[in-house]
Amino acid sequence: DAGVIQSPRHEVTEMGQEVTLRCKPISGHDYLFWYRQTMMRGLELLIYFNNNVPIDDSGMPEDRFSAKMPNASFSTLKIQPSEPRDSAVYFCASSFGRQSSYNSPLHFGNGTRLTVT
Amino acid sequence: EDQVTQSPEALRLQEGESSSLNCSYTVSGLRGLFWYRQDPGKGPEFLFTLYSAGEEKEKERLKATLTKKESFLHITAPKPEDSATYLCAALNQAGTALIFGKGTTLSVSS
Repeated sequence: DAGVIQSPRHEVTEMGQEVTLRCKPISGHDYLFWYRQTMMRGLELLIYFNNNVPIDDSGMPEDRFSAKMPNASFSTLKIQPSEPRDSAVYFCASSFGRQSSYNSPLHFGNGTRLTVT
Repeated sequence: EDQVTQSPEALRLQEGESSSLNCSYTVSGLRGLFWYRQDPGKGPEFLFTLYSAGEEKEKERLKATLTKKESFLHITAPKPEDSATYLCAALNQAGTALIFGKGTTLSVSS
């Protein structure tokens, strides 16, 4: 299994531009999560999906952020327009079933490092 | 508000010098306490899940323990390859998503 795949690995953009981050979860996993990591705040949950349906988006910081999961093998996180304070590492993670058992831990991708100048 | 706090923020050890990392949590109805390891430029990698006070899990030089208020990650005779950031996360009764601490960055020198 290739694991959770994220692209791009690095993204540098100017303030005001649209940014799209992509994620391919592990095949068969029914939960998908988007996290953001910064030195100040650590790992923060932005949104998660179950069977391609958004369940909780309360962590999405502003209306500038949106996420979609058109099918079981693909998700996007979009920021429009981007701002310097959005600079962070964005992680996608997937799991099979609720995270309440040893058999369903989160599997993370290697993240997208976003820099907004 | 559910919260997870890790200490220390950073820890430097000599190879073979055992120590412990702390994870304090205030979470309603804890359903699980997770430990992850994160290497630079990588995503967190799952290590352990603990479900109830008194439970212990071991993997090579690492042992995780859980009480009603905190969890410890004990590192016995560490090696340089154990250098990483160790993240603790809690799953509360209401949610599906994990609440992460900010991590402890461990550096082991030979």
